[in-house]
Amino acid sequence: QKEVEQNSGPLSVPEGAIASLNCTYSDRGSQSFFWYRQYSGKSPELIMSIYSNGDKEDGRFTAQLNKASQYVSLLIRDSQPSDSATYLCAVNRGGGSNYKLTFGKGTLLTVNP
Amino acid sequence: SQTIHQWPATLVQPVGSPLSLECTVEGTSNPNLYWYRQAAGRGLQLLFYSVGIGQISSEVPQNLSASRPQDRQFILSSKKLLLSDSGFYLCAFSQGALDEQYFGPGTRLTVT
Repeated sequence: QKEVEQNSGPLSVPEGAIASLNCTYSDRGSQSFFWYRQYSGKSPELIMSIYSNGDKEDGRFTAQLNKASQYVSLLIRDSQPSDSATYLCAVNRGGGSNYKLTFGKGTLLTVNP
Repeated sequence: SQTIHQWPATLVQPVGSPLSLECTVEGTSNPNLYWYRQAAGRGLQLLFYSVGIGQISSEVPQNLSASRPQDRQFILSSKKLLLSDSGFYLCAFSQGALDEQYFGPGTRLTVT
């Protein structure tokens, strides 16, 4: 089982729609969770962090965490063509691996005008 | 505000040549520093991390090494590059062990 798993996509949504990106992780003891956006040829940019169960909203972005199901998601409301990018889920397993972020391979999102 | 710099932005090197990539962070003290590699079609792989000057932890055995000569400077080196060393090298920093990591602009290395 992969440590952090994401659908590779591509996920295609029309402009103005809600984009839903999903991520599962294998280590039940994981403590912190992050979503990064990476445009082609650029470095990853942090867009959301979440540490406890539930929802966290920041503008058009909502991160959702369910530790019991080992599942974290990112919702993008009112999707814009500028949101077209690869979205990376990252998990910090904590414990002896405190400093280590494990990344999924990313989901490519395309927002069509 | 905190900023992170990497150079060079792109690099083309022949097999067997040495490598030195530099990363510096501004606007913070005693950051945790990280080197990642992103190879084509693969995810981000943590190579090294450092929690203080002279303290380096290696995640993946390979022909690369890292050093931290100053608090906000992190260097990735190799004595002899391999074709498999090609990739996008990213430096990142964080303040705490579980905190967000912020990435620099990256160095795209092509080994020919």
